[in-house]
Amino acid sequence: DTGVSQDPRHKITKRGQNVTFRCDPISEHNRLYWYRQTLGQGPEFLTYFQNEAQLEKSRLLSDRFSAERPKGSFSTLEIQRTEQGDSAMYLCASSFALQGHRGTEAFFGQGTRLTVV
Amino acid sequence: AQSVTQPDIHITVSEGASLELRCNYSYGATPYLFWYVQSPGQGLQLLLKYFSGDTLVQGIKGFEAEFKRSQSSFNLRKPSVHWSDAAEYFCAVVTSGGGADGLTFGKGTHLIIQP
Repeated sequence: DTGVSQDPRHKITKRGQNVTFRCDPISEHNRLYWYRQTLGQGPEFLTYFQNEAQLEKSRLLSDRFSAERPKGSFSTLEIQRTEQGDSAMYLCASSFALQGHRGTEAFFGQGTRLTVV
Repeated sequence: AQSVTQPDIHITVSEGASLELRCNYSYGATPYLFWYVQSPGQGLQLLLKYFSGDTLVQGIKGFEAEFKRSQSSFNLRKPSVHWSDAAEYFCAVVTSGGGADGLTFGKGTHLIIQP
């Protein structure tokens, strides 16, 4: 299967701990997105990368959230000092697009479900 | 800023009956439009998309959608639903020419299939 993969699928953490999630996009895709989805809502866009460049990060929820894509392949999303309100599904998606263009459709991974206790 | 409205939070349909899920968007120019489906605990699967051209688009699993610019709508239809269609359906839009906004999703419509 060459789809988008996310790891771990589930994460339970204590409030105040740091967590990191990984996303491996479809190999030929150069654009990678992170979304958050809370119960009963549609996914909410957080940030995206064009290759290794993070071109939009103003929608990250707070300065406790950060994302990296060091070599333009896999990406990580880190949440520091987790709070109960961070409990959600974190989705990763990838697509192919030339810079400045909307590109092709995005393909989503199965997500990482975070529970902060 | 762009927005997507899915006015129906829940819809119940009998198996074999036809289905229409509504989606309206707010944006000045022509957006890219998508419908995704999400089964419990799963990621999102793309059903169909509209970029340009023919306003009636066909997707997977027998779904189709029609883009109506005058109504700012992109409603999803299926002539005969199956029990396996029970899921959450999301309409989404990409509007930025620079690709900077990612997808904007509606809140979703929960589809229930009655036997």
